[in-house]
Amino acid sequence: GENVEQHPSTLSVQEGDSAVIKCTYSDSASNYFPWYKQELGKRPQLIIDIRSNVGEKKDQRIAVTLNKTAKHFSLHITETQPEDSAVYFCAARGNQAGTALIFGKGTTLSVSS
Amino acid sequence: DVKVTQSSRYLVKRTGEKVFLECVQDMDHENMFWYRQDPGLGLRLIYFSYDVKMKEKGDIPEGYSVSREKKERFSLILESASTNQTSMYLCASRRTAWHTNEKLFFGSGTQLSVL
Repeated sequence: GENVEQHPSTLSVQEGDSAVIKCTYSDSASNYFPWYKQELGKRPQLIIDIRSNVGEKKDQRIAVTLNKTAKHFSLHITETQPEDSAVYFCAARGNQAGTALIFGKGTTLSVSS
Repeated sequence: DVKVTQSSRYLVKRTGEKVFLECVQDMDHENMFWYRQDPGLGLRLIYFSYDVKMKEKGDIPEGYSVSREKKERFSLILESASTNQTSMYLCASRRTAWHTNEKLFFGSGTQLSVL
């Protein structure tokens, strides 16, 4: 089955800096890669996703890039703000009927002002 | 907005008890999932169901079973609770894979403690 590795496990940045979180996946048939953000005590929420026919997607300060050949994808957050502090999870979905999302172990991002 | 409701926010049970965790969604979603969340281990898939009466094992199904008799309800059952099943349990639903919107909607979670 699919396996998703996520790095780093913790990331501390200064407000205004950029943050990058990287994930690799094992199943070359996977074709959907979302990112979820979980604030303390809250449920995970989708922040951005990308499909395998696209190399990059942007939404304001966040962007996701995908390298299918290397089987890795990354989340980029620019001009970080304290409210970006949260746990971020990457995930991958296989290409077969009824497949579920498999998540990475998460990255705790701390943005200090 | 989609609402995914988990019946209990906190639950304390004894070792060996049979435990039922209930999840209900109100948006007619086909797919439903149970994950457990542990510090440093992320979200691990226990079971999922892509339609009524259908179920598939996830990565860590041992010690668990599920039931989906109605489309809106997906139950997780711990047949004989053990201390290593102490965890946060998250239910989620989505319309279906390959839909233009594959967003997973999560419940608020059930923190289960097995003593």
